[in-house]
This record gives sequence, structure tokens and C-alpha cells, in this order.
Amino acid sequence: KAGVTQTPRYLIKTRGQQVTLSCSPISGHRSVSWYQQTPGQGLQFLFEYFSETQRNKGNFPGRFSGRQFSNSRSEMNVSTLELGDSALYLCASSPLGRENTGELFFGEGSRLTVL
Amino acid sequence: AQSVTQPDIHITVSEGASLELRCNYSYGATPYLFWYVQSPGQGLQLLLKYFSGDTLVQGIKGFEAEFKRSQSSFNLRKPSVHWSDAAEYFCAVVPTNDYKLSFGAGTTVTVRA
Repeated sequence: KAGVTQTPRYLIKTRGQQVTLSCSPISGHRSVSWYQQTPGQGLQFLFEYFSETQRNKGNFPGRFSGRQFSNSRSEMNVSTLELGDSALYLCASSPLGRENTGELFFGEGSRLTVL
Repeated sequence: AQSVTQPDIHITVSEGASLELRCNYSYGATPYLFWYVQSPGQGLQLLLKYFSGDTLVQGIKGFEAEFKRSQSSFNLRKPSVHWSDAAEYFCAVVPTNDYKLSFGAGTTVTVRA
């Protein structure tokens, strides 16, 4: 069974641009979560989608958005990039239903550098 | 405030020695508890989890963790570390009334020969 796939793995953008990251969950998984990982702030929860609905959101500005498609694939978008958005963005999927018990399968992440 | 704390930022251990990583949480009710590991350049992998029941939990790669309600702790242990155990380890919780997995700051483990 293929794992969680994130694309692109690495990308470089400049301030003010926008970026879209993609995540394909493990087949059959309906929940997809996104996390931002930085040396200073650690792992911070961005949002979680289940059956195309955002059911939880972290404390990030509105520049960060996401969506989930009917095939469970998910995208996240960051608009008007700032230097502080440089981070590893991790996607994780879960096989479980409405209750999230924290058993997540992570992708290898998309490393975003903002210049 | 609700939080999960890993007091040790960095631990160095000799190959073959035992390892213990500390995790404390501060929540009104006992949350679901997890340990994840992140090898360099990789995503996170679940080592073990605790929902309820037996307070000693066995995980993958020879790791175990013990839940102690009185100390609000969930410490991770391995009797004999291997060089491949060098990684960053994260304690994480899901409050029982929430969907969000919250992580501690992580502990980096270095294994010396």
C-alpha cells in the first residue's frame, strides 16, 4: 500500500507569492491533517479535513487555507508569502472515522523556502 | 493552559545503553497519548499509543512507554539503543473532546558508538 505522498518535496518562493502544496493520503483514508514544522515553533497544527469538510483549524492567519477533494486528496495554499512561512509542511492521513484518535500516517513533507 | 512538555531538548546515549525520554501533559482529563519518531529528512512515524487500560504500552522498534496518571507523565523507554535510533522523538496528545493532535517540542537523541 502506498504511503502518504506530498508534492512538491522542495520549493523556493519569494515574498508576496503564493504556493499550493498537494497531499495524497493512503488509499481508504478519509481524514487529512496538515502541520507546519519549524525549528522555532516546532510542530503546529494547521487544519484537518474529513470527507471534504474542514472540521478543525489551528491558529494560523487566513493566508493559510486548504481543501479536500472527493477522492480525499488535499491541498493547502499559502497566499502572500512571508519569510516566516519557510518551513516543512507535513501532511498526515488517518483511516479512522469521525473520532480522531491521533493515529496519523505522515508524508515526508514539502520543504518551503521563502526568500 | 493545556500543554504537553518534553523537558529534555537533547539526549546523548551510548549504543547499547538504555534510553528514557520524558513527557508530561497538562489537561483536565487524561488525553490520548502518543509517541512519534522523526528520522532526519523524514516524516513522523507512530511508535506507540495509549488510550486506556494497561499502563505499560509496547510499541514498534523495541520501544515501550509507561502512563502514570499521578504524575501526568507518559515516558518512553528502550532497554538497549541502536545507532538507528538517532532521531527526534515527539510526545503528542489528543484531548478526549477534540480532534487536534498537539505535539511537544521534541527531544533529539544522539547515539554515540
